[in-house]
Amino acid sequence: GEDVEQSLFLSVREGDSSVINCTYTDSSSTYLYWYKQEPGAGLQLLTYIFSNMDMKQDQRLTVLLNKKDKHLSLRIADTQTGDSAIYFCAETDTGRRALTFGSGTRLQVQP
Amino acid sequence: DAGVIQSPRHEVTEMGQEVTLRCKPISGHDYLFWYRQTMMRGLELLIYFNNNVPIDDSGMPEDRFSAKMPNASFSTLKIQPSEPRDSAVYFCASSFGSGGHNEQFFGPGTRLTVL
Repeated sequence: GEDVEQSLFLSVREGDSSVINCTYTDSSSTYLYWYKQEPGAGLQLLTYIFSNMDMKQDQRLTVLLNKKDKHLSLRIADTQTGDSAIYFCAETDTGRRALTFGSGTRLQVQP
Repeated sequence: DAGVIQSPRHEVTEMGQEVTLRCKPISGHDYLFWYRQTMMRGLELLIYFNNNVPIDDSGMPEDRFSAKMPNASFSTLKIQPSEPRDSAVYFCASSFGSGGHNEQFFGPGTRLTVL
């Protein structure tokens, strides 16, 4: 079945860039997503990328997709303390509607 | 719109009791998903509906779990009897599936503790 993997923890200083990485196994993945979860809250969609793209930029967020290596990354520029949260990578394909999530990366931003 | 609404937000019950979790999706959305989040297994899909019809229930752990969607604005997830290993946060999400990318909007979750 589909599998999505992420590193568990990342710590950065405020103002630095954060890069969160994700690998997936399903070669038919069509859409790849980054969700953010703050403590005690549900998941909030940050951004997504279609599999025929290799980069997408949205303000402070940059998503890079290497389809050959099945590697996805999320770069947050000028990381702020408010960015501290758990970030989930997720994927789906055109045949499925449900998302397969990674384990989540806890981002800690130190002032 | 108020977003996806889940109730209760917290539930503490004893082993063997019946638990019912409720979800109201965003109006106009035709897909509804139930996910479970635990430390051990992360976020996993339990079941999802399209136009009130269950499409994929392969993630439902066992017969103790059942889900219904009697109409487009309401769904329930029932656990009977509950067990301590069912303790988790249960999320409901909804989306509008017009094809291609479909953003899933998540509710705040129900934190279930089974003693």
